[in-house]
Amino acid sequence: GAVVSQHPSWVICKSGTSVKIECRSLDFQATTMFWYRQFPKQSLMLMATSNEGSKATYEQGVEKDKFLINHASLTLSTLTVTSAHPEDSSFYICSAREGRFTPKYTFGSGTRLTVV
Amino acid sequence: AQKITQTQPGMFVQEKEAVTLDCTYDTSDPSYGLFWYKQPSSGEMIFLIYQGSYDQQNATEGRYSLNFQKARKSANLVISASQLGDSAMYFCAMSGNQGAQKLVFGQGTRLTINP
Repeated sequence: GAVVSQHPSWVICKSGTSVKIECRSLDFQATTMFWYRQFPKQSLMLMATSNEGSKATYEQGVEKDKFLINHASLTLSTLTVTSAHPEDSSFYICSAREGRFTPKYTFGSGTRLTVV
Repeated sequence: AQKITQTQPGMFVQEKEAVTLDCTYDTSDPSYGLFWYKQPSSGEMIFLIYQGSYDQQNATEGRYSLNFQKARKSANLVISASQLGDSAMYFCAMSGNQGAQKLVFGQGTRLTINP
């Protein structure tokens, strides 16, 4: 089946630094990828929709200058958390739809970010 | 806009019993899809079952079935013969068929299977 590889699986960074999370579709082309954030014991909240070759579409309340999304190819989308602060500590997970007419969304394994 | 509601924060069930997890939704899209995912403590999202809004029959996948009642806008997940390994968070989600087809999640239900 389709696989989405997400790296790193966990990262600890100092406050004020930036962290990049990668999401790759290994065996299919993903024109659209989705980025979610999940706080402990809460649901997945959609942050943004990443479109290959164009700007990402951010959900209301998500700071686009803080969460930079780049989707430079059909198989790679990246999320960069800039100037991270402890409140950005969370579980970030990406997802890709396997085609416009298939109801299948494949998820990465997630990245646990801790900002100290 | 799409909205998914799961009203059961936690459920406790004896092993081998059946369990129903509730999900209601709201959307203005004429065509949409409904999903259930399982999330164990590892954090991975495991796809369980899908129901299209125009599907005439309720979806089934092994021990999982989706009780789809379109008029009531509900899409409950039924797990038959529960197992200890079923203990996890369960999320109901939906996507429209317009635009980016975003997948939106409900609040989740934590299911605990007791031996």
